[in-house]
Amino acid sequence: NAGVTQTPKFQVLKTGQSMTLQCAQDMNHNSMYWYRQDPGMGLRLIYYSASEGTTDKGEVPNGYNVSRLNKREFSLRLESAAPSQTSVYFCASSEALQQAYGYTFGSGTRLTVV
Amino acid sequence: GIQVEQSPPDLILQEGANSTLRCNFSDSVNNLQWFHQNPWGQLINLFYIPSGTKQNGRLSATTVATERYSLLYISSSQTTDSGVYFCAAASGGYQKVTFGTGTKLQVIP
Repeated sequence: NAGVTQTPKFQVLKTGQSMTLQCAQDMNHNSMYWYRQDPGMGLRLIYYSASEGTTDKGEVPNGYNVSRLNKREFSLRLESAAPSQTSVYFCASSEALQQAYGYTFGSGTRLTVV
Repeated sequence: GIQVEQSPPDLILQEGANSTLRCNFSDSVNNLQWFHQNPWGQLINLFYIPSGTKQNGRLSATTVATERYSLLYISSSQTTDSGVYFCAAASGGYQKVTFGTGTKLQVIP
């Protein structure tokens, strides 16, 4: 089925370890996003990519880096994980930057940093 | 950036009841969206509604842009409506969509 695929679904890291969350979409969407979801906080934008080759910071970018590898793939990297980064991470894509109507979300990655 | 507030934060309904969820936003918007997050965590688009009224089955939404609010109506609620409903908004000067903190709905049989 067409959609947004995130890997892994679950991950436990030790403080200071690094990892990359992978996201791929097969809908030929131009824009892609990374959000984190914390209890009582809703979803907060970490980074976004308006189109292939561009990335920009969102609301909570500190401690993260991203790479728009190609039109399909947008990865999120934690260089030195901290307990404050324990969260559920969602990748999303849309046809254009502000097309919330076109948002399709992945199923999420539950990350625990101990 | 734009602020998005939702109310009520929690809601419990008997199956078959109707409900209204509210979303207030702090600035004019060119983009307003309602999402449903089911109990398994999946986020699903419900409506794209920067202004006006739309209906989809038992759900409908109305946005009054001049007064900076949107309403989501759920009629004849079912247990499958349970989950968290998010409102998300974007304003012309900002390159991102901001989510509210959600309304957690529980529909009991």
